[in-house]
Order: sequence, then C-alpha cells, then structure tokens
Amino acid sequence: DAGITQSPRYKITETGRQVTLMCHQTWSHSYMFWYRQDLGHGLRLIYYSAAADITDKGEVPDGYVVSRSKTENFPLTLESATRSQTSVYFCASLSSGNEQYFGPGTRLTVT
Amino acid sequence: GQQVMQIPQYQHVQEGEDFTTYCNSSTTLSNIQWYKQRPGGHPVFLIQLVKSGEVKKQKRLTFQFGEAKKNSSLHITATQTTDVGTYFCAGSPRAGGTSYGKLTFGQGTILTVHP
Repeated sequence: DAGITQSPRYKITETGRQVTLMCHQTWSHSYMFWYRQDLGHGLRLIYYSAAADITDKGEVPDGYVVSRSKTENFPLTLESATRSQTSVYFCASLSSGNEQYFGPGTRLTVT
Repeated sequence: GQQVMQIPQYQHVQEGEDFTTYCNSSTTLSNIQWYKQRPGGHPVFLIQLVKSGEVKKQKRLTFQFGEAKKNSSLHITATQTTDVGTYFCAGSPRAGGTSYGKLTFGQGTILTVHP
C-alpha cells in the first residue's frame, strides 16, 4: 500500500543500548523529516533529508544519527539511548504541494 | 532561531461553543500550515496559508494569516465532539536557501469537547 510507515510502533529499551527506528515511504518524496513529540514541546525537528545521501541537523539532533542511502528509507538511530530520549517519534515526507505527510509514529521508552 | 508560540495550551469547551487558537512567530514567515492530531494519532495536514492577510475556510474552520505574516489563527464555529484533538500551527521561514520544507511547530492546543 502507498504511504509512509514506521517500525517498530512501540519499543522499550535500556539506557545505553543502540536503537534504530525505521521509516519507509512509497511516494518517492525527496524531503523526509524526523520529529520527536513531547508534551509541552510540540513537534521538534531532529534531522531532515533533502534527497538520498543529503541530510542535515534540525533543532534537537544531539544523540541521534540518520542515513539515507535510498530515497524511500530514512532510518533514525539512537547510538546510546538515554532516558531523556523517551518520546514519540514521527517520520514525515514532503509532498509536491508542500504538505508534510506523517507516519503513525513510534513510541519509545528508555528505562 | 525561529520560534513559534501557540496559545492556549489547553481549551475545554461545551459542544456547540466556538474555539480559537492563536499562533505567533518571532520572525516573518513564508507560509504557515495547520495540522490536526487526534488522540493517539499522527498529525494530519489541514491547510496552508501563504498570502499576507489571507483567510481560508473549511466548513466550520476559519484560518487567518496576519498582515505582517507573523501570526495566524484557527477558529472553529460550533464545535463538535469530532473536533477533539491537538491543533498545531507550523511556520516556514522565508523562502529559499537551506530552509526549504522545514517547519517550526508551535506547542499545540489540546481541544476537548464536552457533549
């Protein structure tokens, strides 16, 4: 099915572990984004990508790494998870009409 | 950096009452977008405003973009229980450069509607 998907939908991990959140879109949109959502902070941009192999930092990039070897995939890696990274993570892609389409989100808990 | 402030943070209304949320940017915007997020869901695009002073309507929803392109509002007339959710504004800085596609989101307004 066309759209944007994220996996896993829920993840519990321990402090210090590496975690990778996956994002896949079928529209071949050039721009993709990673946000985290925390109560009181709205959606904050972590990283974004303008195309395959082109990524840049957003507002809160520390502790995160991204890659984009293919247009359709934009994984987000927490290299050494901390409790402050407990959050809901949304991936999004940008349509030609300048609308951002969001995935269903990944709820991550770091214990 | 650019900041987008949104008020109120919470709004509780009785079904049938009107609702308004306000958005203010620290810098002039190229455009402003509004998104709705249902409880447990993901943000969904509602509308984009581009022109100074622009007003757009979607059924009971009215969106405005300020003359200075630094503020915006969303007004819902006669709320219904289906309006429940969080409404976000999101501003895009002036066009060009490396800012293309990037949005700065407000903190959101959580709307609850009592039947």
